Amino acid sequence: AQSVTQLDSQVPVFEEAPVELRCNYSSSVSVYLFWYVQYPNQGLQLLLKYLSGSTLVKGINGFEAEFNKSQTSFHLRKPSVHISDTAEYFCAVSERDFGNEKLTFGTGTRLTIIP
Amino acid sequence: AAGVIQSPRHLIKEKRETATLKCYPIPRHDTVYWYQQGPGQDPQFLISFYEKMQSDKGSIPDRFSAQQFSDYHSELNMSSLELGDSALYFCASSLIPPDEQFFGPGTRLTVL
Repeated sequence: AQSVTQLDSQVPVFEEAPVELRCNYSSSVSVYLFWYVQYPNQGLQLLLKYLSGSTLVKGINGFEAEFNKSQTSFHLRKPSVHISDTAEYFCAVSERDFGNEKLTFGTGTRLTIIP
Repeated sequence: AAGVIQSPRHLIKEKRETATLKCYPIPRHDTVYWYQQGPGQDPQFLISFYEKMQSDKGSIPDRFSAQQFSDYHSELNMSSLELGDSALYFCASSLIPPDEQFFGPGTRLTVL
């Protein structure tokens, strides 16, 4: 079974400051890793994904994340945040196993940008 | 580009009633997933279908059933609704092997 831990339930950040949202996962098999963003009363939008290859992945809206296998982490970063980045961010994992591709989500981090 | 379509977007039901949620995947996607997101919670996997066959099952109550039809759309049937079933229900679709699940806008179910 897999699990995802997002230690920070809420992160307030001043506009134009950098931000890091932390994500750690646990799994007995190889996994794919994802970050999704959810704006109020909306669906889930994929920010970025790690499938294989380079451990630094770049996504939309200036976000990037780094896969660290030894630390089982997949932290999300942005060098300079904007008011429009205010949203809920979910880290998710799925197993590299046919028939077991369901996503397991973390509990989410609410990012609030302070003007 | 075509996206995942869910209907209805909002649904209000009384306790003990039934509800049917529909999901239309992105064309040529052969896998559909259902997730339930309670208020202030993370999405929880319910069930998935690949090529019209159930491929995986999560924490789906026995009161719920789902299927995928020949045109790949899927329906989630919920009976004997309880207050605790009030949630946002997401459908997602993908290809196999899945490098990404594409989510629909969700159906917000309110049980009174």
